[in-house]
Amino acid sequence: DGGITQSPKYLFRKEGQNVTLSCEQNLNHDAMYWYRQDPGQGLRLIYYSQIVNDFQKGDIAEGYSVSREKKESFPLTVTSAQKNPTAFYLCASQYWREGGELFFGEGSRLTVL
Amino acid sequence: SQKIEQNSEALNIQEGKTATLTCNYTNYSPAYLQWYRQDPGRGPVFLLLIRENEKEKRKERLKVTFDTTLKQSLFHITASQPADSATYLCFPAGSARQLTFGSGTQLTVLP
Repeated sequence: DGGITQSPKYLFRKEGQNVTLSCEQNLNHDAMYWYRQDPGQGLRLIYYSQIVNDFQKGDIAEGYSVSREKKESFPLTVTSAQKNPTAFYLCASQYWREGGELFFGEGSRLTVL
Repeated sequence: SQKIEQNSEALNIQEGKTATLTCNYTNYSPAYLQWYRQDPGRGPVFLLLIRENEKEKRKERLKVTFDTTLKQSLFHITASQPADSATYLCFPAGSARQLTFGSGTQLTVLP
């Protein structure tokens, strides 16, 4: 079955550590996105990529980094520079056409201890 | 800057009634608007798309309207059921830079 997979689902990190969240899709979608969601709030865009080897900053990119070496994969690294990293992280992919719906993964919940 | 507002963080209605959710946007002109449903601890799931040249779209018990003059979309769930309880997100988009979701409205349908 085609879909988008995020891992791990839950992650605990000590302050000062970097952590990488995985996002893989087998939908052959061109575009991929990372959003952050805090309790009671909407989705805020961290980074997005419309094509392999290219990505753009979203609204809250500071303290995060990404890569897009393969069409299927768009990992997100939460660095120690991110001041408040505890959140629910959502990855999405989209076939790049006007109106194309976003397909979301199940999310990764990161807790910094 | 782009701004999206969804009505009241929480909406409670009685089973069988029609739920109406509002999405207002400012400072941009989306070519289309999507609505998503999100259950607790899960990723959002796409429900409906409406384009700027369409006034209304229906899918089963769901209806969406799009008023580009008022910069507003209304999302209706008729004959609501407890299973419709979830958070509903609007997503006015149309270019690579218009990728902002509304904060969502948490709907609770009471039996």
